Amino acid sequence: SQQGEEDPQALSIQEGENATMNCSYKTSINNLQWYRQNSGRGLVHLILIRSNEREKHSGRLRVTLDTSKKSSSLLITASRAADTASYFCATDGDYGQNFVFGPGTRLSVLP
Amino acid sequence: ETGVTQSPTHLIKTRGQQVTLRCSSQSGHNTVSWYQQALGQGPQFIFQYYREEENGRGNFPPRFSGLQFPNYSSELNVNALELDDSALYLCASSPGELVGETQYFGPGTRLLVL
Repeated sequence: SQQGEEDPQALSIQEGENATMNCSYKTSINNLQWYRQNSGRGLVHLILIRSNEREKHSGRLRVTLDTSKKSSSLLITASRAADTASYFCATDGDYGQNFVFGPGTRLSVLP
Repeated sequence: ETGVTQSPTHLIKTRGQQVTLRCSSQSGHNTVSWYQQALGQGPQFIFQYYREEENGRGNFPPRFSGLQFPNYSSELNVNALELDDSALYLCASSPGELVGETQYFGPGTRLLVL
């Protein structure tokens, strides 16, 4: 079963608005990562947050982690049409499982 | 660009055949992982190699096998192809052995099994 579950499954917003995606996971983790995928191509790493961190920023991205609730959120501020993509959270699972990805959130940013 | 390349980009096979997919990792990256991504789903971990030894495997049958070579290239082999093997296959490299490091993905190979 998948460790991470993103919410919502799909999100459609206007350019300039903020987009928030959530990720929930089941077991304890060492870190959590967010990736972006454009049109079924390779994944691009966005940000890594460790279990002892609560918030991390990278440009227009803000990630939070709440280990007590086993959840994380990704906020994209001032979205652009180029942000249209699928966004995945990934967690390090038990030994032998490596990364476990959720099913993703499909974000559409309309011009 | 991540510096990770995969070949071929697309492939069509028939059920029962065998296929070999190739990946070239970033120079200096000792770990390579392979993933299967069905349409509309997240990537599923197949296995990971570190310094040419398999050191982690997901819930995939033995007909999925791999090799890693000293020159940072690797292969994913799938025997006795089934229709459900149709998917995007991604490889990803990372510098060390630790689980959960940042991974650098290639563009993928899209496999269609008829």
